[in-house]
Amino acid sequence: DGGITQSPKYLFRKEGQNVTLSCEQNLNHDAMYWYRQDPGQGLRLIYYSQIVNDFQKGDIAEGYSVSREKKESFPLTVTSAQKNPTAFYLCASSHRQLAKNIQYFGAGTRLSVL
Amino acid sequence: AQKITQTQPGMFVQEKEAVTLDCTYDTSDPSYGLFWYKQPSSGEMIFLIYQGSYDQQNATEGRYSLNFQKARKSANLVISASQLGDSAMYFCAMREGQTGANNLFFGTGTRLTVIP
Repeated sequence: DGGITQSPKYLFRKEGQNVTLSCEQNLNHDAMYWYRQDPGQGLRLIYYSQIVNDFQKGDIAEGYSVSREKKESFPLTVTSAQKNPTAFYLCASSHRQLAKNIQYFGAGTRLSVL
Repeated sequence: AQKITQTQPGMFVQEKEAVTLDCTYDTSDPSYGLFWYKQPSSGEMIFLIYQGSYDQQNATEGRYSLNFQKARKSANLVISASQLGDSAMYFCAMREGQTGANNLFFGTGTRLTVIP
């Protein structure tokens, strides 16, 4: 089945540790996105990528880094510089050339700090 | 100013009844898209319906319809014949600019509870 796979489902980070969240899609979408969701809030954009080897910061990029070496993959690293990383992280992808450019989402990764 | 405003933190509806979830938006861009997503307790965001700013007719997808009032900048979601499985968080979102634009602005959501 085509879709977006995020792993792991749950992740725990120790103080000072970098952790990487995985996002893979087999929808042949060119654009991929990372969002953060805090309790009782909507989603906020962290980073997005329109093509391979290119990405742009979103509204809350500080303390995060990404790479886009393959069309199918867009991993997010939560660095030790992110002082409040506890949140629900959602990855999305879209086909930008289509008129609606609908973003489809994975099941999310819940990150907690030990 | 908030790009997307959802003023109903929670809503209740009787099973088989219709319910309207409110959404207002703020943009000066003449080209934009409006989206509704459903988020069940599992966390996944499920796309429901899309309305483009130049679309002449209100969008419909099965039991979902979007009441688009451009002059009032509102894009309310109407769910007809509610089912127990409709209980979830619902988010309104907007994309400004042309198709290739990327950022979606989300509201804070409305929690819908369907009562048997």
